Amino acid sequence: DAKTTQPPSMDCAEGRAANLPCNHSTISGNEYVYWYRQIHSQGPQYIIHGLKNNETNEMASLIITEDRKSSTLILPHATLRDTAVYYCIVGLLEYGNKLVFGAGTILRVKS
Amino acid sequence: GAVVSQHPSWVICKSGTSVKIECRSLDFQATTMFWYRQFPKQSLMLMATSNEGSKATYEQGVEKDKFLINHASLTLSTLTVTSAHPEDSSFYICSAIGDRSYGYTFGSGTRLTVV
Repeated sequence: DAKTTQPPSMDCAEGRAANLPCNHSTISGNEYVYWYRQIHSQGPQYIIHGLKNNETNEMASLIITEDRKSSTLILPHATLRDTAVYYCIVGLLEYGNKLVFGAGTILRVKS
Repeated sequence: GAVVSQHPSWVICKSGTSVKIECRSLDFQATTMFWYRQFPKQSLMLMATSNEGSKATYEQGVEKDKFLINHASLTLSTLTVTSAHPEDSSFYICSAIGDRSYGYTFGSGTRLTVV
């Protein structure tokens, strides 16, 4: 499994965009980039995933560089409820393939 | 969307007893489920991969005789912590893959405290 590197923590002002970077320089051609977040004492929540094209859903946008070696998760208008640990994971979207979590980024949204 | 229900959400047990945690996929069939353990201020650590109808595959360092996993149906996997000790106190989380558009779905976790 490809490994990811994320900053340990970030702060963001409420209402502003939160941009969370992730490096995955050893990603293989068929591995997806997943983003999850975990609010204290809860199970991880799926945010978004992508292969090589940029993706957007109701929660966030995912920007993947052309060489796929890094990506950025964008929360367009961060709220206090977005304070959580954000995990960037790469893996195969196939049954039986496991997701291995790194340390993640603690995002603190401040008023 | 895909929903995974985990029960109980928290449990306190005496040292030496066994505890069973259930993980159910409510609206999809989960051929594969995963069990994670998380200690305070740490990331999730994968314990084992559970495939329906077959033996679980454990990660290195995880005692298969202590953490019994059963995946008897496409919607249910159970983790039994046998002869629990205080060092087994942790947050246990299950995950399942079903609807490919949502990737992997996680349960809400079980807080186990062994006293």
